[in-house]
Amino acid sequence: QVQLQESGPGLVKPSETLSLTCNVSGGAFGTNKYYWAWIRQPPGKGLEWIGSIYYSGNTFYNPSLKSRVTMSQDTSKNQFSLKLTSVTAADTALYFCARDSGSYYMGFDYWGQGTLVSVSS
Amino acid sequence: DIQMTQSPSTLSASEGDRVTITCRTSENIDTFVNWYQQKPGRAPHLLIYGASRLHSALPLPSRFSGSGSGTEFTLTIDSLQPEDFATYYCQQNYRTPYTFGQGTRLEIK
Repeated sequence: QVQLQESGPGLVKPSETLSLTCNVSGGAFGTNKYYWAWIRQPPGKGLEWIGSIYYSGNTFYNPSLKSRVTMSQDTSKNQFSLKLTSVTAADTALYFCARDSGSYYMGFDYWGQGTLVSVSS
Repeated sequence: DIQMTQSPSTLSASEGDRVTITCRTSENIDTFVNWYQQKPGRAPHLLIYGASRLHSALPLPSRFSGSGSGTEFTLTIDSLQPEDFATYYCQQNYRTPYTFGQGTRLEIK
């Protein structure tokens, strides 16, 4: 049973850094089978892929966010993280972590429940 | 970026109906399309990958099926059940940045 769980502050001030962590259980984390992704959804809008990280530490970011995004992982804790700098109200969204099936081409096959992050002073 | 355009944006249907949602892409992406279902306030769930392959978590027989290749793809739901009324998204994993369609909201007529 693959489970992902996001955690982090629900409120971030403009210009500050958004930091989230995703804890993974049962999903072959830290192996060369899968990537691990962050995806967000502004209220009432569609889904946007933020980026993915591979077990090797290689990262792939959406060019629209690349200058502000850093993803990292801690395989000893079965978790990976997202940092998004210089946030504005446009970064207010439901943030999901998900397993990215990568070269298996099976999409994002397991998701966390999501965590709402609001950007406001 | 590869653009994903879904139609319709909203679809009204009744229980028992068969419905089809279309996703068109801005370039040929072979069969690298996935479909997700999302209910309000919940995470999306993978339904179909590789344009036509059912995610293993879906019970069989499935009311969901996918088809298409190149630039046009469809998701079909047979015999709509109450739990099928939700928003559906297509997504391409042909090339990064991965992109999603804008969503199709399936509502009860």
